[in-house]
Amino acid sequence: GEDVEQSLFLSVREGDSSVINCTYTDSSSTYLYWYKQEPGAGLQLLTYIFSNMDMKQDQRLTVLLNKKDKHLSLRIADTQTGDSAIYFCAGPYGQNFVFGPGTRLSVLP
Amino acid sequence: SQTIHQWPATLVQPVGSPLSLECTVEGTSNPNLYWYRQAAGRGLQLLFYSVGIGQISSEVPQNLSASRPQDRQFILSSKKLLLSDSGFYLCAWGGTSGRTGELFFGEGSRLTVL
Repeated sequence: GEDVEQSLFLSVREGDSSVINCTYTDSSSTYLYWYKQEPGAGLQLLTYIFSNMDMKQDQRLTVLLNKKDKHLSLRIADTQTGDSAIYFCAGPYGQNFVFGPGTRLSVLP
Repeated sequence: SQTIHQWPATLVQPVGSPLSLECTVEGTSNPNLYWYRQAAGRGLQLLFYSVGIGQISSEVPQNLSASRPQDRQFILSSKKLLLSDSGFYLCAWGGTSGRTGELFFGEGSRLTVL
């Protein structure tokens, strides 16, 4: 099965909060990441969190980590149309890392 | 600052023709380099990664090969393209920050095989 899992789609209304979830299986102490991919472009690193932290906030972005449940989430406050993209989480996989399948976020006016 | 360049951005090739996609990184030394493929609307598939000149690890056996002739140059090739090679190819670099998984991506190359 997948080592990193995400729901594939999420729709929210402009101005609402978005929460994108990710689960992983490897329990290594390491960094976990969120990337954003806009249409036709490469991935852009959004933020990361080390596995000994449970929260990290950066402007409109909040990352929550539940290490016991191996669950990572990305909350986007006051979601804007420019936030429409595919969001990938990336987590540990042995000595390397693996990307989730990506969550396509659609922001409705 | 570091930059990554990938070209060509778009490519339409007939089945059976060769392929060469090139990626170069500037502003850093001895990076780890990666080639990923992304099928339409799908996730990322790691194809190759390299930790140094001439060192290539293949993750998926297939019709493609990679080479790293210089420290900051990574090339993806095929001798004969298949229809199934169509996709969005992404080059990335990382490994200099100490944070495994922190990658910086190029803008991608969209390959259509007809």
